[in-house]
Amino acid sequence: GAVVSQHPSRVICKSGTSVKIECRSLDFQATTMFWYRQFPKQSLMLMATSNEGSKATYEQGVEKDKFLINHASLTLSTLTVTSAHPEDSSFYICSASSLQSSYNEQFFGPGTRLTVL
Amino acid sequence: GQNIDQPTEMTATEGAIVQINCTYQTSGFNGLFWYQQHAGEAPTFLSYNVLDGLEEKGRFSSFLSRSKGYSYLLLKELQMKDSASYLCAVIDSNYQLIWGAGTKLIIKP
Repeated sequence: GAVVSQHPSRVICKSGTSVKIECRSLDFQATTMFWYRQFPKQSLMLMATSNEGSKATYEQGVEKDKFLINHASLTLSTLTVTSAHPEDSSFYICSASSLQSSYNEQFFGPGTRLTVL
Repeated sequence: GQNIDQPTEMTATEGAIVQINCTYQTSGFNGLFWYQQHAGEAPTFLSYNVLDGLEEKGRFSSFLSRSKGYSYLLLKELQMKDSASYLCAVIDSNYQLIWGAGTKLIIKP
């Protein structure tokens, strides 16, 4: 149980285009979803936290107009990187948690590697 | 501010034992996680401690001392596949997950 999927797993795009990444909880209802970014040899950096049906809470320094997050249902959240630039190239990971989780544990998706040319 | 400290990198020998330490200073404490992350992959859950003491799970054990703000992850009978980064994360009083920078563990034959 507690499986989280992400799509696509890898994407290469041209500078200036927008990229949408989907995060789905497959076998549980995710009351909260988290979006992280990880640069090579660095730890996870939380970008934003989203609760179903409400606006995402962005961490300091993360541009909400550039990284659009939608959490439309209890099983789906999307991250759209708008007008992507080479510096946005990174490993994007989503995670999901449920009120039913005894540990308040986050279950991670497999990640999406974004390369902006 | 909130801070979690772990060694950046450690090296150990296949078959040996290694202990990865984590110290934290956070606003409140509601539990501590250890995650394993292989290069290019997402983190996977290893352990959760909320009470003082040792939690053993197969080759991996995790220890917590809340009074000292200290935890360690103990890996026994090391295998080559244990080469990965190990992330310590603490849930603070606002139930936010605070991440350490991770410890890269290199296993040598």
